[in-house]
Amino acid sequence: GAVVSQHPSWVICKSGTSVKIECRSLDFQATTMFWYRQFPKQSLMLMATSNEGSKATYEQGVEKDKFLINHASLTLSTLTVTSAHPEDSSFYICSAREVNPGELFFGEGSRLTVL
Amino acid sequence: DAKTTQPPSMDCAEGRAANLPCNHSTISGNEYVYWYRQIHSQGPQYIIHGLKNNETNEMASLIITEDRKSSTLILPHATLRDTAVYYCIVVTGNQFYFGTGTSLTVIP
Repeated sequence: GAVVSQHPSWVICKSGTSVKIECRSLDFQATTMFWYRQFPKQSLMLMATSNEGSKATYEQGVEKDKFLINHASLTLSTLTVTSAHPEDSSFYICSAREVNPGELFFGEGSRLTVL
Repeated sequence: DAKTTQPPSMDCAEGRAANLPCNHSTISGNEYVYWYRQIHSQGPQYIIHGLKNNETNEMASLIITEDRKSSTLILPHATLRDTAVYYCIVVTGNQFYFGTGTSLTVIP
C-alpha cells in the first residue's frame, strides 16, 4: 500500500528556534496533504490542508505565520514551526490521499519537544 | 468539526468479537464513514470505509444502518495487538476531522 514518510521522527529544540518537518508520499503523487497536531491523551486536530503549488488552507485558530506550510512538489510538504515555544511541543502528523474517495495515508508522526 | 459520537472506552476479551459503535446522525448522503485506529505514539492506521453498504476486508467489517445514522466496526477475533484508540470519521469533502474515539482494551 501507499506510504507516507515523515522526518524527523523526534526533534528537540530550544525556545525561539524554528523547526522544519518533512512529509513525503513515497509511491504516489499527492496534490493535497494534511497536517495534524496531537497533544497527549487527545485526539488529532487538523491544522491545515497543504495544496501543491498554492497556499495552504488553515483551520480556524491555527496561526499561519507560526506554522509555515510549503508544498513544493507532488510528493513533498513541509511544516515549519517558527519561533517555537514550549507550548508548541506536540506530536505532528501528516497525511496524504491518492484518490478521492479513498484511503488517507498517515505518516509515522514527528514528536517535537521545545525546551 | 467531528460529526461523530463514540463511547470513550470499551473492553473486549481476547478471541471474542469487538463491536465498536459510532453515531453520525447528521451525515449527508454523499459522506463516507471511515474507521482508523491509533496505537500509542504512532500515526493512525486505516481500517475500512463505506458509504451505504456493509463492507468487509481482512481487518474488519463495517455495518452501516439503513438510515446511515450509525455504524458499527466489528473486529471478528480480537487480539492483544488490537488494543488501540479507534476513530470513526465522517468525511466531508477532502477533510478528515477526528473525534475523541473509543479506547479499546483487549483483555487476555
